[in-house]
Formats: sequence, C-alpha cells, structure tokens
Amino acid sequence: GIQVEQSPPDLILQEGANSTLRCNFSDSVNNLQWFHQNPWGQLINLFYIPSGTKQNGRLSATTVATERYSLLYISSSQTTDSGVYFCAVPSNDYKLSFGAGTTVTVRA
Amino acid sequence: DAGVTQSPTHLIKTRGQQVTLRCSPKSGHDTVSWYQQALGQGPQFIFQYYEEEERQRGNFPDRFSGHQFPNYSSELNVNALLLGDSALYLCATQRGRYEQYFGPGTRLTVT
Repeated sequence: GIQVEQSPPDLILQEGANSTLRCNFSDSVNNLQWFHQNPWGQLINLFYIPSGTKQNGRLSATTVATERYSLLYISSSQTTDSGVYFCAVPSNDYKLSFGAGTTVTVRA
Repeated sequence: DAGVTQSPTHLIKTRGQQVTLRCSPKSGHDTVSWYQQALGQGPQFIFQYYEEEERQRGNFPDRFSGHQFPNYSSELNVNALLLGDSALYLCATQRGRYEQYFGPGTRLTVT
C-alpha cells in the first residue's frame, strides 16, 4: 500500500513563530487531507488539497502531486495550534492512509 | 448541520467481552469508515461501509465486524476483547469519494 511519511516528528515553537510541516507519499494520489488532532482526540479537517495551494487564516497548504509531497504552513503560531498534525491520502480509492503525525507544541 | 457523532464517548470493558460502538454520519454522507488509533500512532483503517455492505477491509481479524443501516448510520462490533484492543475508535463519513470527516471518537479501555 501507499506509504506516507511526515517530518519533523516533533516541533517546539515560541508563540508568534512560523513553521512548515512536510508530508511525502510514495505513489500518485487524487486527493490529500490535512488534519489537526486536538488534545481530546478529535480530528479537525484543515485542508482537502489534491494539488495547488489553499489558505485558511494563518494556515496554508501546498500539494505538488507530481513530486509526491505536501506542505502545511503555520504562521504567527498560537498556543491553540498545539496538537498533532496528520496528513492522509487515499489508498485503493477508499481508505485513508495516515502518516505518523507531527506533534507541535507552541509555548507562550 | 450536525457533524459526525459517535457513542459512547468512553467505555471500559473486561477481556473476553464484546462491545458495540455507534456512528451517525454528517448530513448528506452515505459512506462510513472506521479507524483504530493506538496511543502515539496515526489512525489505522478497519473497514468501510457503503450501501449497507462492507466495501473494503483493513488488516484486522474477524473479531471486528460492522453494519450499516438504511439511514447510513453504522455500528462497529468487537468480540472477544483483548488488552491490545484498547484504543481510540474513530468513525469517518463522506459523500461518495470526497473529503472524509471524523467524529469525536470512542475511547475503549480493556482491562
């Protein structure tokens, strides 16, 4: 099945800092999702981004499907941005295959 | 518009028992997937239901079974519980093959 790798595994930021999270995948995909998992376990949809660039407030994402990677940008980070960020891609059209996640800690 | 809902929120069971978890989809969604998330890991796909049938299954034993009802809601059943079944169980729903949306999860503890 498709392999999804995320980097870095952990990220510690000072409030106000910017950061970039990366997601590499091993095969061509027709969509990609980014999620934020809050401390209670809820997976929050951030982006559905098969290709190109999207922005939502302080977050933006870019997927370069031909090179099999996606980037998630966090600007002016806030403590509420803390949590685990996952990217996921469909495998065999149905199931989502997840990376191991990037744990982000934003310090005040 | 209500999102994906799951019940119960938390559950404690004893080894060997059976458990049933429930999921109601987001409005307009017809496809339900179940995932297991162990501590410190990403979610792992269990199976997906569409038109009341299991469409795809992940690498999970037959102790894990499911059902989808005509109103698109779904149940996940786990028999003969093992300590290793302790995890967060997530339900995700979607319309067709579009974006998946997740419920808040059920945290299962097996003692």
